[in-house]
Amino acid sequence: SQQGEEDPQALSIQEGENATMNCSYKTSINNLQWYRQNSGRGLVHLILIRSNEREKHSGRLRVTLDTSKKSSSLLITASRAADTASYFCATDAGNDMRFGAGTRLTVKP
Amino acid sequence: GAVVSQHPSRVICKSGTSVKIECRSLDFQATTMFWYRQFPKQSLMLMATSNEGSKATYEQGVEKDKFLINHASLTLSTLTVTSAHPEDSSFYICSAGDGWDIQYFGAGTRLSVL
Repeated sequence: SQQGEEDPQALSIQEGENATMNCSYKTSINNLQWYRQNSGRGLVHLILIRSNEREKHSGRLRVTLDTSKKSSSLLITASRAADTASYFCATDAGNDMRFGAGTRLTVKP
Repeated sequence: GAVVSQHPSRVICKSGTSVKIECRSLDFQATTMFWYRQFPKQSLMLMATSNEGSKATYEQGVEKDKFLINHASLTLSTLTVTSAHPEDSSFYICSAGDGWDIQYFGAGTRLSVL
Protein backbone atom coordinates (compact mmCIF):
# COMPACT_ATOMS: atom_id res chain seq x y z
CA SER A 1 0.00 0.00 0.00
CA GLN A 2 1.03 3.56 -0.49
CA GLN A 3 2.58 5.27 2.49
CA GLY A 4 3.15 8.80 1.48
CA GLU A 5 1.06 11.54 0.10
CA GLU A 6 2.54 14.42 -1.76
CA ASP A 7 1.31 17.82 -2.57
CA PRO A 8 0.91 19.55 -4.78
CA GLN A 9 0.28 16.92 -7.41
CA ALA A 10 1.46 19.34 -10.03
CA LEU A 11 3.50 22.51 -9.82
CA SER A 12 4.36 24.92 -12.60
CA ILE A 13 6.86 27.72 -12.06
CA GLN A 14 9.15 30.04 -13.98
CA GLU A 15 12.85 29.41 -14.25
CA GLY A 16 14.68 31.02 -11.35
CA GLU A 17 11.83 30.61 -8.90
CA ASN A 18 11.91 28.23 -5.95
CA ALA A 19 9.83 25.05 -5.90
CA THR A 20 8.54 23.47 -2.72
CA MET A 21 7.04 20.02 -2.56
CA ASN A 22 5.61 18.35 0.51
CA CYS A 23 5.27 14.77 1.61
CA SER A 24 3.26 13.29 4.45
CA TYR A 25 3.34 9.74 5.73
CA LYS A 26 1.55 7.61 8.25
CA THR A 27 3.88 5.27 10.13
CA SER A 28 7.22 5.51 11.89
CA ILE A 29 10.18 5.52 9.56
CA ASN A 30 13.92 4.97 9.57
CA ASN A 31 14.53 7.49 6.88
CA LEU A 32 12.83 9.38 4.10
CA GLN A 33 14.19 9.73 0.62
CA TRP A 34 13.43 11.95 -2.28
CA TYR A 35 13.68 10.71 -5.84
CA ARG A 36 13.41 12.30 -9.20
CA GLN A 37 11.95 10.66 -12.26
CA ASN A 38 12.19 11.95 -15.76
CA SER A 39 9.43 10.78 -18.03
CA GLY A 40 9.78 7.10 -18.87
CA ARG A 41 13.03 6.76 -16.98
CA GLY A 42 14.03 5.11 -13.74
CA LEU A 43 14.04 6.89 -10.46
CA VAL A 44 17.15 8.78 -9.45
CA HIS A 45 17.96 9.14 -5.80
CA LEU A 46 18.31 12.76 -4.70
CA ILE A 47 18.68 12.93 -0.97
CA LEU A 48 18.13 10.83 2.14
CA ILE A 49 17.24 12.24 5.52
CA ARG A 50 17.27 10.05 8.60
CA SER A 51 14.58 10.09 11.23
CA ASN A 52 16.89 11.84 13.71
CA GLU A 53 17.74 14.61 11.26
CA ARG A 54 15.69 17.74 10.70
CA GLU A 55 17.26 19.32 7.67
CA LYS A 56 19.64 18.39 4.91
CA HIS A 57 21.15 20.21 1.97
CA SER A 58 22.55 19.04 -1.31
CA GLY A 59 23.40 21.69 -3.87
CA ARG A 60 20.19 23.51 -4.71
CA LEU A 61 18.12 20.98 -2.76
CA ARG A 62 16.97 21.43 0.80
CA VAL A 63 14.99 18.77 2.60
CA THR A 64 13.31 19.10 5.96
CA LEU A 65 11.79 16.39 8.10
CA ASP A 66 9.28 16.80 10.90
CA THR A 67 8.69 13.41 12.48
CA SER A 68 6.13 14.81 14.91
CA LYS A 69 3.99 15.88 11.98
CA LYS A 70 5.10 12.97 9.83
CA SER A 71 5.93 15.28 7.00
CA SER A 72 8.83 16.31 4.82
CA SER A 73 9.46 19.02 2.29
CA LEU A 74 11.77 19.32 -0.68
CA LEU A 75 12.85 22.78 -1.75
CA ILE A 76 14.56 23.36 -5.06
CA THR A 77 16.06 26.82 -5.23
CA ALA A 78 16.74 28.82 -8.39
CA SER A 79 14.94 26.27 -10.52
CA ARG A 80 16.01 25.47 -14.06
CA ALA A 81 14.11 24.09 -17.01
CA ALA A 82 16.12 20.89 -16.59
CA ASP A 83 14.54 20.39 -13.18
CA THR A 84 11.28 19.54 -14.94
CA ALA A 85 10.43 16.03 -13.74
CA SER A 86 8.33 14.13 -11.24
CA TYR A 87 9.56 14.07 -7.68
CA PHE A 88 8.72 11.29 -5.28
CA CYS A 89 9.24 10.88 -1.60
CA ALA A 90 9.81 7.41 -0.27
CA THR A 91 9.68 6.25 3.30
CA ASP A 92 11.88 3.48 4.56
CA ALA A 93 10.37 1.71 7.54
CA GLY A 94 12.90 -1.07 7.59
CA ASN A 95 11.71 -3.88 5.38
CA ASP A 96 10.55 -2.01 2.32
CA MET A 97 9.99 1.34 0.80
CA ARG A 98 6.78 3.15 0.16
CA PHE A 99 6.41 5.89 -2.36
CA GLY A 100 4.18 8.89 -2.48
CA ALA A 101 2.10 9.75 -5.51
CA GLY A 102 4.66 12.25 -6.67
CA THR A 103 4.68 15.89 -7.67
CA ARG A 104 4.97 16.78 -11.32
CA LEU A 105 7.18 19.86 -11.54
CA THR A 106 7.28 21.94 -14.69
CA VAL A 107 9.82 24.72 -14.90
CA LYS A 108 9.15 27.11 -17.73
CA PRO A 109 12.14 28.74 -19.41
CA GLY B 1 28.00 4.78 -7.10
CA ALA B 2 26.17 1.50 -7.06
CA VAL B 3 24.43 0.57 -10.27
CA VAL B 4 21.43 -1.58 -10.93
CA SER B 5 20.91 -2.82 -14.45
CA GLN B 6 17.43 -3.72 -15.62
CA HIS B 7 16.77 -5.46 -18.90
CA PRO B 8 14.99 -5.18 -21.24
CA SER B 9 14.09 -1.51 -21.21
CA ARG B 10 11.12 -2.06 -23.45
CA VAL B 11 9.20 -5.08 -24.59
CA ILE B 12 6.18 -5.50 -26.78
CA CYS B 13 4.53 -8.89 -26.79
CA LYS B 14 1.39 -10.67 -27.82
CA SER B 15 -1.28 -11.53 -25.33
CA GLY B 16 -0.69 -14.92 -23.76
CA THR B 17 3.09 -14.89 -23.90
CA SER B 18 5.41 -14.72 -20.90
CA VAL B 19 7.94 -11.97 -20.39
CA LYS B 20 11.02 -12.12 -18.20
CA ILE B 21 12.59 -8.99 -16.76
CA GLU B 22 16.04 -9.09 -15.23
CA CYS B 23 17.43 -6.92 -12.48
CA ARG B 24 21.14 -7.04 -11.73
CA SER B 25 23.21 -5.28 -9.15
CA LEU B 26 26.48 -4.59 -10.92
CA ASP B 27 28.96 -3.70 -8.23
CA PHE B 28 27.38 -4.83 -4.99
CA GLN B 29 25.56 -7.78 -3.57
CA ALA B 30 21.90 -7.40 -2.87
CA THR B 31 20.21 -9.90 -0.61
CA THR B 32 16.97 -8.06 -1.15
CA MET B 33 15.56 -6.51 -4.28
CA PHE B 34 12.23 -4.86 -4.80
CA TRP B 35 9.90 -4.90 -7.73
CA TYR B 36 7.60 -1.99 -8.42
CA ARG B 37 4.91 -1.31 -10.94
CA GLN B 38 3.85 2.08 -12.12
CA PHE B 39 0.56 2.77 -13.81
CA PRO B 40 0.37 5.89 -15.95
CA LYS B 41 0.26 9.07 -13.90
CA GLN B 42 0.40 7.12 -10.68
CA SER B 43 3.10 6.45 -8.16
CA LEU B 44 5.16 3.35 -7.99
CA MET B 45 3.47 0.48 -6.25
CA LEU B 46 5.49 -2.13 -4.49
CA MET B 47 4.70 -5.52 -5.95
CA ALA B 48 7.00 -7.82 -4.07
CA THR B 49 10.19 -8.13 -2.11
CA SER B 50 12.66 -10.53 -3.65
CA ASN B 51 14.87 -12.38 -1.19
CA GLU B 52 17.96 -14.24 -2.29
CA GLY B 53 17.58 -17.96 -1.80
CA SER B 54 14.02 -17.85 -0.57
CA LYS B 55 10.52 -17.14 -1.76
CA ALA B 56 9.50 -13.64 -2.60
CA THR B 57 7.14 -11.72 -0.36
CA TYR B 58 4.21 -10.40 -2.34
CA GLU B 59 2.09 -7.41 -1.54
CA GLN B 60 -1.60 -7.86 -1.04
CA GLY B 61 -3.43 -8.08 -4.30
CA VAL B 62 -0.43 -9.16 -6.36
CA GLU B 63 -0.88 -12.58 -7.93
CA LYS B 64 2.04 -14.84 -7.15
CA ASP B 65 1.37 -17.14 -10.07
CA LYS B 66 1.06 -14.23 -12.42
CA PHE B 67 4.25 -12.46 -11.41
CA LEU B 68 6.93 -15.03 -10.77
CA ILE B 69 10.01 -13.80 -8.97
CA ASN B 70 13.28 -15.65 -8.76
CA HIS B 71 16.28 -14.37 -6.82
CA ALA B 72 18.81 -17.07 -7.53
CA SER B 73 21.95 -15.14 -6.70
CA LEU B 74 23.06 -12.10 -4.77
CA THR B 75 23.23 -10.05 -7.94
CA LEU B 76 20.24 -11.16 -9.97
CA SER B 77 16.49 -11.13 -9.52
CA THR B 78 14.03 -11.88 -12.29
CA LEU B 79 10.38 -11.04 -12.67
CA THR B 80 8.38 -13.13 -15.10
CA VAL B 81 4.98 -11.91 -16.19
CA THR B 82 3.24 -15.12 -17.15
CA SER B 83 0.54 -15.27 -19.82
CA ALA B 84 0.61 -11.53 -20.18
CA HIS B 85 -2.56 -9.65 -21.02
CA PRO B 86 -3.14 -6.04 -22.04
CA GLU B 87 -3.96 -5.07 -18.46
CA ASP B 88 -0.43 -6.10 -17.50
CA SER B 89 0.95 -3.33 -19.68
CA SER B 90 2.82 -1.06 -17.36
CA PHE B 91 6.19 0.28 -16.31
CA TYR B 92 8.07 -2.14 -14.06
CA ILE B 93 11.01 -1.02 -11.95
CA CYS B 94 13.35 -2.95 -9.71
CA SER B 95 15.51 -1.63 -6.94
CA ALA B 96 18.22 -2.99 -4.73
CA GLY B 97 19.77 -1.76 -1.54
CA ASP B 98 23.50 -1.69 -1.03
CA GLY B 99 23.19 -2.25 2.68
CA TRP B 100 23.61 1.44 3.45
CA ASP B 101 19.98 2.52 3.33
CA ILE B 102 19.99 3.90 -0.18
CA GLN B 103 17.98 2.13 -2.81
CA TYR B 104 19.34 2.04 -6.34
CA PHE B 105 16.81 1.70 -9.09
CA GLY B 106 16.93 0.06 -12.44
CA ALA B 107 16.02 2.10 -15.47
CA GLY B 108 12.67 0.35 -15.70
CA THR B 109 10.96 -1.85 -18.26
CA ARG B 110 8.08 -0.62 -20.33
CA LEU B 111 5.85 -3.60 -21.08
CA SER B 112 3.21 -3.33 -23.77
CA VAL B 113 0.95 -6.32 -24.28
CA LEU B 114 -0.98 -6.30 -27.52
